[in-house]
Amino acid sequence: EILMTQSPATLSVSPGERATLSCRASQSISSNLAWYQQKPGQAPRLLIYGASTRATGVPGRFSGSGSGTEFTLTISSLQSEDFAVYYCHQYNNWPPGDSFGQGTKLEIK
Amino acid sequence: QVQLVQSGAEVKKPGSSVRVSCKASEDTFNSHAITWVRQAPGQGLEWMGAIIPMFGTVKYSQKSPGRVTITADKSTATAYMELRSLRFEDTAVYYCARAPFHDMYLWKYITLWGQGTLVTVSS
Repeated sequence: EILMTQSPATLSVSPGERATLSCRASQSISSNLAWYQQKPGQAPRLLIYGASTRATGVPGRFSGSGSGTEFTLTISSLQSEDFAVYYCHQYNNWPPGDSFGQGTKLEIK
Repeated sequence: QVQLVQSGAEVKKPGSSVRVSCKASEDTFNSHAITWVRQAPGQGLEWMGAIIPMFGTVKYSQKSPGRVTITADKSTATAYMELRSLRFEDTAVYYCARAPFHDMYLWKYITLWGQGTLVTVSS
């Protein structure tokens, strides 16, 4: 099973600043990576798929990059509603089975 | 409105079983895999397994071999996740979610989540 490692575990950033979140796969997953945002008491919400494609309705300040084993989610200018937990998810399907990173909590500095 | 509607919260004793249902639409069943993900209190997301109802393909996480069974009833567009031999550490919110499939073996990212079902294991 592919292990997904996110860093940092917690990121403190001021509103208006840029946030960069990382996700590393234990083996190559091509571009089969998605990013989700989760707020307390809610189900996750899809932000990015295919490593770099924004989902419908996702603001342009969210961008994803990377391929293979190293991936990045960047939020260019943080808004108050962006403070949440972010998860990466690999759906490479080989070896069989998806997996999630452990999450990065983005908090207000 | 496209949605996945899950069954209500459950309280179970250790060693017992629980079955969570996930009601989808026929369109969802014809074009998506249904994935099950759980989240223990204050913890991250854990992928449990998935089924492609159109083909009957099922895959499970290596972390819970033998205790989880995922099924789908195409006649009612409802997916089920059964977890047996419950342990205290199985206390979690269980989500079903849909992911479009490539073919009978492969699916993509999750596009829609159910509201979650809290399963509490308590003596």
